[in-house]
Amino acid sequence: GDSVTQMEGPVTLSEEAFLTINCTYTATGYPSLFWYVQYPGEGLQLLLKATKADDKGSNKGFEATYRKETTSFHLEKGSVQVSDSAVYFCALRGTQGGSEKLVFGKGTKLTVNP
Amino acid sequence: DAGITQSPRHKVTETGTPVTLRCHQTENHRYMYWYRQDPGHGLRLIHYSYGVKDTDKGEVSDGYSVSRSKTEDFLLTLESATSSQTSVYFCAISPGLGGVGELFFGEGSRLTVL
Repeated sequence: GDSVTQMEGPVTLSEEAFLTINCTYTATGYPSLFWYVQYPGEGLQLLLKATKADDKGSNKGFEATYRKETTSFHLEKGSVQVSDSAVYFCALRGTQGGSEKLVFGKGTKLTVNP
Repeated sequence: DAGITQSPRHKVTETGTPVTLRCHQTENHRYMYWYRQDPGHGLRLIHYSYGVKDTDKGEVSDGYSVSRSKTEDFLLTLESATSSQTSVYFCAISPGLGGVGELFFGEGSRLTVL
């Protein structure tokens, strides 16, 4: 079945550092890909998405490019802030049966220190 | 913010007792989902609904049942709670994941089974 693998955390960075969180997927066809963010004590919220190969999703300075050839959707940000401290989840929506469900990775906790 | 309310937000119960968690939405969205979040496992789908009285199982449905008698309410029931069901439960809603659809999450219900 469909699955998502993302780098294990936790990740600790200093403010203004460059961030990369790796995400790879296994799915048949052409899934849609998502990054969700969970701030402490809250539910998840959509950060960005990409629905076809070579699409780049972007929001709040974060970017991720849908790479079909490497089955990847890595999250990047050029200069992180303390307020970016959160748990980040990569997710996919498949194209086969059950396409109204999202499959999530295990999450990567990011802590940004001043 | 998406109009999603989960209740109760916190509950402590004993093994063997029944527990019902409620998800209420004001968005009139078709799809509703129950996920559980556990350290090291990310989010895992328990059950979801695609309309009134229309539900289907997710990847970790054993020990859980759901009901949706009205568009706005989606109930998750643990018939006889076990310690392995200690978790944070999230409800999510969606108008549909096609096109610009995304999941909107509630704030979670923390359940502790002693």
